[in-house]
Amino acid sequence: QVQLQESGPGLMKPSETLSLTCSVSGESLSGDYWSWIRQPAGKGLEWIGRIYGSGSTKYNPSIKSRVTMSVDTSKNQFSLRLTSVTAADTAVYYCAKDSGSYVNWYFDEWGRGTLVTVSS
Amino acid sequence: QSVLTQPPSVSAAPGQRVTISCSGGRSNIGDNYVSWYQQLPGTAPKLLIYENYRRPSGVSDRFSGSKSGTSATLTVTGLRTGDEALYYCGSWDSRLTSGVFGGGTKVTVL
Repeated sequence: QVQLQESGPGLMKPSETLSLTCSVSGESLSGDYWSWIRQPAGKGLEWIGRIYGSGSTKYNPSIKSRVTMSVDTSKNQFSLRLTSVTAADTAVYYCAKDSGSYVNWYFDEWGRGTLVTVSS
Repeated sequence: QSVLTQPPSVSAAPGQRVTISCSGGRSNIGDNYVSWYQQLPGTAPKLLIYENYRRPSGVSDRFSGSKSGTSATLTVTGLRTGDEALYYCGSWDSRLTSGVFGGGTKVTVL
């Protein structure tokens, strides 16, 4: 059973760069797709983007200019980097195992989520 | 405003049935599969349905999904207090080239 665990800073100031890491256990991330999804308090889910174990990526066009994802197969981790954060980026950030398909797009395993608050 | 449209809330008595609709367009639900997620209070979403109607191992058969044209439906039968949660639909949008979710539906057991 694959398990995912997010880690990150918790509290940030506007204009800073957010860095989050997702540690994967129970499965090698090399041959699969992995996504980041966020959820502002009291609001719905927003897909941020996905990364394949080889490092290829696909980002949500609405946020693409500020997002970079990377993978470290030696640590079985993948990461999210979001630049120039504002209060609108305050949310719970989830990492999830992605189906890898566009036609049949879904997430069958999720981390517990980590709250990121952007405040001056 | 979400690309996929869900009712904000639905409710029913224990043992009854609720249906949650998810309305989209040709570029998302019309051309691609739909998935459904259950989010219990304070927890991460959990996959309930994928490929429009398939259930992952361990998901109760009280949950079922269907799709017709550009809309999808999640049905919960034999409603229990433990089913009180937020439910989200999701699909890939080929025009936006992005995954999209519905705004979520709160299920209340009366």
